[in-house]
Amino acid sequence: EAGVAQSPRYKIIEKRQSVAFWCNPISGHATLYWYQQILGQGPKLLIQFQNNGVVDDSQLPKDRFSAERLKGVDSTLKIQPAKLEDSAVYLCASSFPGQGYVQYFGPGTRLTVT
Amino acid sequence: QKEVEQNSGPLSVPEGAIASLNCTYSDRVSQSFFWYRQYSGKSPELIMSIYSNGDKEDGRFTAQLNKASQYVSLLIRDSQPSDSATYLCAVNPRTGGFKTIFGAGTRLFVKA
Repeated sequence: EAGVAQSPRYKIIEKRQSVAFWCNPISGHATLYWYQQILGQGPKLLIQFQNNGVVDDSQLPKDRFSAERLKGVDSTLKIQPAKLEDSAVYLCASSFPGQGYVQYFGPGTRLTVT
Repeated sequence: QKEVEQNSGPLSVPEGAIASLNCTYSDRVSQSFFWYRQYSGKSPELIMSIYSNGDKEDGRFTAQLNKASQYVSLLIRDSQPSDSATYLCAVNPRTGGFKTIFGAGTRLFVKA
């Protein structure tokens, strides 16, 4: 079974530029999560999708971050414009309701904003 | 008060010893509890999940849950240098897939 795929793996941009991340979850996993993990901290949920509907986006900075999940499969997370404090690893995870909401994480995208 | 609290460590134990990792949570109605291991530069991977009070064992790992005390722990027996990683405690308030809250993690070093 293929795992969660993410791209790119690394990205360096200047502040005020825009960036987009892509995630392909495990086949059949209806729930998809985007997390932000700053060095030394635990993952912080940005947005959670159930199929292509948003379940929780309470911690998503909506003035600069946006996310979509078309057709309930792939998802993209966009930051526009980026700030220095957005430097972090962005993790995508997916889960299947029948597995107690255990989450399977992708390799992450390391974003550096200069 | 943080929703999920862990001692950041580092926790250092000799090879072969028992490592004990602790986690407390604030939401009394929490239902699902997870321990994830995260190696440096890698993404989290599930070690254990536990949903009811008591102990759950899987190989060298034992998760312990006490809902009355709002406390969950992870014991690693016969610790190996390969167990050196950050261990993240995660709590889900309900089984319906609501937002999972992660602790900041405890760094574990197992000395050979």
